[in-house]
Amino acid sequence: NAGVMQNPRHLVRRRGQEARLRCSPMKGHSHVYWYRQLPEEGLKFMVYLQKENIIDESGMPKERFSAEFPKEGPSILRIQQVVRGDSAAYFCASSSGLGGNQPQHFGDGTRLSIL
Amino acid sequence: GESVGLHLPTLSVQEGDNSIINCAYSNSASDYFIWYKQESGKGPQFIIDIRSNMDKRQGQRVTVLLNKTVKHLSLQIAATQPGDSAVYFCAETREGAQKLVFGQGTRLTINP
Repeated sequence: NAGVMQNPRHLVRRRGQEARLRCSPMKGHSHVYWYRQLPEEGLKFMVYLQKENIIDESGMPKERFSAEFPKEGPSILRIQQVVRGDSAAYFCASSSGLGGNQPQHFGDGTRLSIL
Repeated sequence: GESVGLHLPTLSVQEGDNSIINCAYSNSASDYFIWYKQESGKGPQFIIDIRSNMDKRQGQRVTVLLNKTVKHLSLQIAATQPGDSAVYFCAETREGAQKLVFGQGTRLTINP
């Protein structure tokens, strides 16, 4: 399966802990996006990365949240000192980025629950 | 436009009928639009896309119509099947921006 892979699928953390969400893009894709979804809502953009670069982080909270896409390995969305309001589904998407806008293909998400 | 956290609009259709799902987008500068299907517990699945230089595009059993004058997008599904049950989202972006802005979503349910 060459689709976008996210892990873990479910993550439970206590308030104050750290959450790390991983995303491996589709083969051949060098553009990665992270979105957040609350129940019964559409996805909200957080951050857009290319290899080793953050291109647009306009949707990401300034504190506690960070993202990276290293030269080797998956993209990581990191949430420090989690709070109850961080509970949501976090989706990663990837695209080839070639020839202007291309469809973004999504993984099945990580469902983060904060106790 | 942006989702506002209300209960999802629901469209119920009979199996075999055609479905039409509508979406009003917010940004007149948007020039690339995508329809996604999201099943419970899964990520959005790409259905079809359209660029602003077109007003209609067809895929397998699906057609997307774009009316830039009124900033309206629609997805038509022919001969709706039980497997089409899902939440459908439209998403917009503009050249160079990359980030997608998702609409509120519509839940499609199929009556046997």
